[in-house]
Amino acid sequence: DGGITQSPKYLFRKEGQNVTLSCEQNLNHDAMYWYRQDPGQGLRLIYYSQIVNDFQKGDIAEGYSVSREKKESFPLTVTSAQKNPTAFYLCASSSLFRGGTEAFFGQGTRLTVV
Amino acid sequence: AQSVTQPDIHITVSEGASLELRCNYSYGATPYLFWYVQSPGQGLQLLLKYFSGDTLVQGIKGFEAEFKRSQSSFNLRKPSVHWSDAAEYFCAVGALYGGSQGNLIFGKGTKLSVKP
Repeated sequence: DGGITQSPKYLFRKEGQNVTLSCEQNLNHDAMYWYRQDPGQGLRLIYYSQIVNDFQKGDIAEGYSVSREKKESFPLTVTSAQKNPTAFYLCASSSLFRGGTEAFFGQGTRLTVV
Repeated sequence: AQSVTQPDIHITVSEGASLELRCNYSYGATPYLFWYVQSPGQGLQLLLKYFSGDTLVQGIKGFEAEFKRSQSSFNLRKPSVHWSDAAEYFCAVGALYGGSQGNLIFGKGTKLSVKP
């Protein structure tokens, strides 16, 4: 089935650790996105990428890093510089069309600092 | 700057009653508008979208939305709510973000509870 796969579903991070969230899509979409979701805050954009080996910062990129070595994959690393990483993280993808195409979402990863 | 406002944080309706969730947007050009639904701990599923043409759009699960340019609104409606509709609903506008295309700006969501 075509779709977006995020793993793991739950992730626990110790203070000072970097952790990486996986996002893979088989929809042949050019664009991929990472959003952070906190209760009552909606979705906030962390990073996005329109093409392999290129990505742009979103509204809340500090403390996060990404890579786009393959079209299908867009992993997100939450670094120790992110002071409040506990949140629900959603990956999405879309085809590159003038703002009119919808984004498809993965099932999310819940990250908790322990 | 582009933005989306969902004025209602939480709405409770009785099963079988009608539903309207409000969404107002601020966007400098012709907007592309979306409604998504999210069940707890899950990703977002697209309910419907408006790109152009008929201002009343039909979606999945019996939902519809009406685009009103004069009011900058895109309200979501359903004539008869089912208990399974309890979820959080997000309105979004397609934006040009830093020169890119395809990114979405989301409202903060409206949580829907359904009374039996």
